[in-house]
Amino acid sequence: DQQVKQNSPSLSVQEGRISILNCDYTNSMFDYFLWYKKYPAEGPTFLISISSIKDKNEDGRFTVFLNKSAKHLSLHIVPSQPGDSAVYFCAASTSGGYNKLIFGAGTRLAVHP
Amino acid sequence: KAGVTQTPRYLIKTRGQQVTLSCSPISGHRSVSWYQQTPGQGLQFLFEYFSETQRNKGNFPGRFSGRQFSNSRSEMNVSTLELGDSALYLCASSENTGELFFGEGSRLTVL
Repeated sequence: DQQVKQNSPSLSVQEGRISILNCDYTNSMFDYFLWYKKYPAEGPTFLISISSIKDKNEDGRFTVFLNKSAKHLSLHIVPSQPGDSAVYFCAASTSGGYNKLIFGAGTRLAVHP
Repeated sequence: KAGVTQTPRYLIKTRGQQVTLSCSPISGHRSVSWYQQTPGQGLQFLFEYFSETQRNKGNFPGRFSGRQFSNSRSEMNVSTLELGDSALYLCASSENTGELFFGEGSRLTVL
């Protein structure tokens, strides 16, 4: 039972354009969502998060949008850079779930010049 | 601050053996959680420890166990290894904010 789904295993974007990574979830108890980036042979690194009381959070080139009614969130990267090429994981947790994150399977982003 | 340190980074075991992996969290972080990453499965939660107590547990068999010491360092153990246990095991520490800081992982290969 996949509670967090990233249906696109890969995405290819040209440098300078927008990258949009999508994530769907099924558990309505999730109230905190995060995006992590992972390079090969490294552990995931935190990118950005959003609480369920918000519908948008920005940090520099990264913006996360949350649509609670659709149980959908997306990560926008503008402008995309070659260094952004990595695997992006969406994760969710519940209040009281402490640090138990439920991760999606990841989307591999390739940004080409 | 030093990051999360995991040892060993790579190891090879045979079926039936057991393995112990170690994790040193970021100084001051009392929460340590463990995740398993296999191809196509993303990261799956194993368990979380806070102040030496297991606070949360994922859906893994009892062969997977862990513990946390008074200095917040943590170990996880897998007994009676199976081929399917081959994975990258990631440890993460947190100040209990929901934001996890991951180590580089221990890659286990079971032959």
